[in-house]
This record gives sequence, structure tokens and C-alpha cells, in this order.
Amino acid sequence: QSVLTQPPSASGTPGQRVTISCSGSSSNIGSNTVNWYQQLPGTAPKLLIYSNNQRPSGVPDRFSGSKSGTSASLAISGLQSEDEADYYCAAWDDSLNGLYVFGTGTKVTVL
Amino acid sequence: QITLKESGPTLVKPTQTLTLTCTFSGFSLSTSGVGVGWIRQPPGKALEWLALIYWDDDKRYSPSLKSRLTITKDTSKNQVVLTMTNMDPVDTATYYCAHRHVYYDSSGYSTDDAFDIWGQGTMVTVSS
Repeated sequence: QSVLTQPPSASGTPGQRVTISCSGSSSNIGSNTVNWYQQLPGTAPKLLIYSNNQRPSGVPDRFSGSKSGTSASLAISGLQSEDEADYYCAAWDDSLNGLYVFGTGTKVTVL
Repeated sequence: QITLKESGPTLVKPTQTLTLTCTFSGFSLSTSGVGVGWIRQPPGKALEWLALIYWDDDKRYSPSLKSRLTITKDTSKNQVVLTMTNMDPVDTATYYCAHRHVYYDSSGYSTDDAFDIWGQGTMVTVSS
């Protein structure tokens, strides 16, 4: 179902930098901005990044987002144990009268 | 402070219709730009967007589920209702409602949006 492709997993040790990719197409990432959501185990998703690279109030600046063409990335600098979670990219897709698409999700493990 | 909470049956039988209610506070669904969306997540799987209703009663549906979904709002009750017909075991999932926030540029034009506040979710199992 997901039209945005993410790697299933990523990992790092505390303090390291981890990057998650999100690959889409011209009708979604290529035409619209990207949001990122963090889902801690057993909880509802939380907005982490909006408009490609903007952080809502309260989100640490360790989290950063970027977009280029039809791909986007989320970077976590200074990885912490509490960052262990699932991460999803998302964007509007202009095909089929518009739909909001989520990525396949990436499980980040702190080693 | 914006909060949302989903409610509805935890168990439905195949072919039945599911009705979920999202009761919210801290915002009005009659305010320009505001919306409420529904997203679901099967156990161990990714998020899937289902539907979105805007302040002006405009509605958007996932194309793959459009024939089965209906989203409505009751502004006076601060509620949004999602119905899904012909339920199947593959529809077993946690269903979330979320507040749609729109972001404006310095000129006052809307630029982007995101689901900034989510409900806790409600687990729905489809089984006979």
C-alpha cells in the first residue's frame, strides 16, 4: 500500500548519527513537502518534522529533515536510548484526487 | 491544549459496519484550515491514512477504501465519525484520529499541513 519507501531498520550506538531515507515519486515528495512521525513502542505517532525540515515546539534539535527531488531524509544526531522507535515519512500525493501517504516505516535501534 | 480520543467497538464481525467516533477538545472544526483525519495501523505494520474532513466539510478518502468509508462531523458536539462498511479480518488494526494543522507563511497563505496531535488510538478486531 505504501508508496514511500524506507529502509526497514537502522541502528547506532549512543551519540552516533543515524540517517533514514524516504524515497517517493514526482506526485508525492517531488510535488509536496514531507512530514516525519515518531512512534515510540506502544504509543500513538507524534509529529517530529513538518514542511521538510521544521521542528514543532518541543522537538529536540537533534532531529533534522531534508528533501531533494523525490527523496527525503531524517537525521538523528547524538542518538539517545529514548530515540528507539519507529519513524515514518509522509506526504500528500497529487494523484487520484489527492491522498496522504505514509512511508513503510523504519525501526531505529539504539545498540 | 488539543486532545482527541477515539471510541467504538473493540470487536466486529466480518461484513458488519464499523462506526468510530473521535471526540476532541481544544479546537473548533468550524475554524478555517482545521481538519480531522483518520489513520489506521494493523498489528506490526505501517500507518495507513484513511480519510480527512475539513472545516468547510470538504472530504478526502483513501482511493483504495473510498467505496467503504464515510466521514462526517458534528461541530456542535466536537466529534468526527468514521464509518467503514463490509469489515474484513484484514481491517483489524488500531484506528487513530488526528488533528490537521495548517502552516502559514508570512503573507498569510497556507503552505503546508501535518497531523500534529493524535488520539491514543482504539484497537478494532474483526473476527467471527
